[in-house]
Amino acid sequence: AQKITQTQPGMFVQEKEAVTLDCTYDTSDPSYGLFWYKQPSSGEMIFLIYQGSYDQQNATEGRYSLNFQKARKSANLVISASQLGDSAMYFCAMRGLYQTGANNLFFGTGTRLTVIP
Amino acid sequence: DAGVTQSPTHLIKTRGQQVTLRCSPKSGHDTVSWYQQALGQGPQFIFQYYEEEERQRGNFPDRFSGHQFPNYSSELNVNALLLGDSALYLCASSPNAGKFTYGYTFGSGTRLTVV
Repeated sequence: AQKITQTQPGMFVQEKEAVTLDCTYDTSDPSYGLFWYKQPSSGEMIFLIYQGSYDQQNATEGRYSLNFQKARKSANLVISASQLGDSAMYFCAMRGLYQTGANNLFFGTGTRLTVIP
Repeated sequence: DAGVTQSPTHLIKTRGQQVTLRCSPKSGHDTVSWYQQALGQGPQFIFQYYEEEERQRGNFPDRFSGHQFPNYSSELNVNALLLGDSALYLCASSPNAGKFTYGYTFGSGTRLTVV
């Protein structure tokens, strides 16, 4: 079974500061991918960043970086230089390569980020 | 280039009724997945369609069924609606030949309210 845990229901960050959103996961699949999505109030899930379980380096995409600690089974999202438009729900998700469910994403319960001016 | 489009955006139905939700995938994508997102929760996988066949299914009852058309668009049907079916229904598309690293493209969803 695969499981994603996001323990921060809500986070606040000052504009232009950095913020870390936590994500831990559990899987018995030897090969998997970890994703972060942003969901604004419009409802659309926007893909932010991907980390593969065998990737040697942490993923980065612009202001987003993923702090991947495989031994701890954590995949925290770091947003640098926060902007007002970053206020949204953020979801961590996982996809296993070999186990049943290779074609779908397992999501956590999300973290609501609010950027304060 | 249009992304994933879903219709309708909002829907109100009475308990026991049936509903059909529609999804057009992003251009170039041939695989469509459906997710249910209850209020305050993360999306949950319902099923995925590829080549007009249901390829994989999540833990949802048979009241949830789907269809994929030759143009890759898809429908989600829910019969005998329950109050608990009230949720945001998200459609996601991807190219079947795409890399495992690919993050599915999601639509803005259909918000279904069952009264």
